Amino acid sequence: QVVESGGGLVKPGGSLRLSCAASGFSVTDAWMSWVRQPPGKGLEWVGRVKSKTGGGTIDYISPVKGRFTISRDDSNNTLYIQMNSLKIEDTAIYYCIASQTAGAYDIWGQGTVLTVSS
Amino acid sequence: DIVMTQTPLSSPVTLGQPASISCKSSQSLVHTNGDTYLNWLHQRPGQPPRLLIYKISNRLSGVPDRFSGSGAGTDFTLKISRVEAEDVGIYYCMQHTQFPHTFGQGTKLEIK
Repeated sequence: QVVESGGGLVKPGGSLRLSCAASGFSVTDAWMSWVRQPPGKGLEWVGRVKSKTGGGTIDYISPVKGRFTISRDDSNNTLYIQMNSLKIEDTAIYYCIASQTAGAYDIWGQGTVLTVSS
Repeated sequence: DIVMTQTPLSSPVTLGQPASISCKSSQSLVHTNGDTYLNWLHQRPGQPPRLLIYKISNRLSGVPDRFSGSGAGTDFTLKISRVEAEDVGIYYCMQHTQFPHTFGQGTKLEIK
């Protein structure tokens, strides 16, 4: 129900935009987030966007604030994350997740891999 | 930030036996609306995480009833009544009461 794309190999300082195409629900009406998992490590929340009725505000974790930007395209029913000034430590699988059950982030994508390396 | 601490970090279990994972948060996870947004996820090797339980004790549709969650405030537990082979992997607790939302370190469940 969500499919991520756009991952790849980027040099430090570079940029990349990941996409999350949703089906079966509207990205406007859902609370959605990006979560990442560095190789062999645990999970880290990256950013969250509230539903339109929930205020639509967007929050980021401190390490990515000012570098990453989450946005929605209602016409394509897609969530994006624009990542600039990439660092080696941003290397991870990036998962798009959504809440379709009240109080739960129950929809997880398969993830897309970002590798930041020179 | 709320720190989530899981124990144990590794749990070897015999098939058919129970398993239990503890998750403690550094602050209360009770939201101002009265709900507690404590979830449990399961990740098999090479797979994305899958939500098992939300708001402490609610099983997502399709999750076997051998999985149960309990707790309140800052102390939470995931129990598997009888471990099956498909239950291996890493279990994470996760809170989204307060942003930044945070995860526990993960508990690796393996079969003895």
